[in-house]
Amino acid sequence: DAGITQSPRHKVTETGTPVTLRCHQTENHRYMYWYRQDPGHGLRLIHYSYGVKDTDKGEVSDGYSVSRSKTEDFLLTLESATSSQTSVYFCATWQGANYGYTFGSGTRLTVV
Amino acid sequence: GNSVTQMEGPVTLSEEAFLTINCTYTATGYPSLFWYVQYPGEGLQLLLKATKADDKGSNKGFEATYRKETTSFHLEKGSVQVSDSAVYFCALSDSNNNDMRFGAGTRLTVKP
Repeated sequence: DAGITQSPRHKVTETGTPVTLRCHQTENHRYMYWYRQDPGHGLRLIHYSYGVKDTDKGEVSDGYSVSRSKTEDFLLTLESATSSQTSVYFCATWQGANYGYTFGSGTRLTVV
Repeated sequence: GNSVTQMEGPVTLSEEAFLTINCTYTATGYPSLFWYVQYPGEGLQLLLKATKADDKGSNKGFEATYRKETTSFHLEKGSVQVSDSAVYFCALSDSNNNDMRFGAGTRLTVKP
C-alpha cells in the first residue's frame, strides 16, 4: 500500500548480529503492528504500538524489541539474530474495526 | 479468545471453476469479518469485508456472507481466473479492540 513503506525489502544477515527493520506510514494512524509470516503458521503478531512510545508484546515477541519515537515510524529490532528468525516481516496500520489493517509490502529476512 | 479457522490448502482449480474457501470463527461480541488476498511477493490486501450479520461483502467477483448462526464467512467465486492465484486469509476484528486475528491462509492455484 502506498501509505506504508517497509525497508529494507530484502536482507541477509549473520547469526548473532542485530538487525533493525523500519516501517514508515504517511497516514497518521495511531496503531501499528509487526507480524511475521511463516509457512504453516500464517501471520503471527510480534509487537504492536498504540501511540508514540507506547508499545506492547504480541504472541511471538521473544528476541524482538520495538520503538516508536514518531507517529510515522515503527522500528523492529532483532537484538541478536537467529536462524529461527528467518521470515517475512510485515508491518500494518489499523484503519478501524470496519476497515481492518493496511499492510506494507514486507521485508524478507534471511539469517545465515 | 477470538480465533479464525479456514480450510487448509493448497487448492488447485481449473480456470472457470467454482471456488469456495471455508472460514469459521469464534468470537465474543460482534466482530467484523474480512478476507485478505496476498499475491506472490506482496503484502496482504483487503479483498472484502462484512461488519454485521447477514451482510455480504463482494469485490472482483468474490463474495462472502456473514453468517452468525453458523459463525462462518466462506469465500466464493463463480468462475476463477489464473490471475486469482494467491493466498487468501480470513480474519476478524473485535469491535471492542483493535486486535485482528487471522486464519492460517489458503493457497489457491488456478491452472489454464
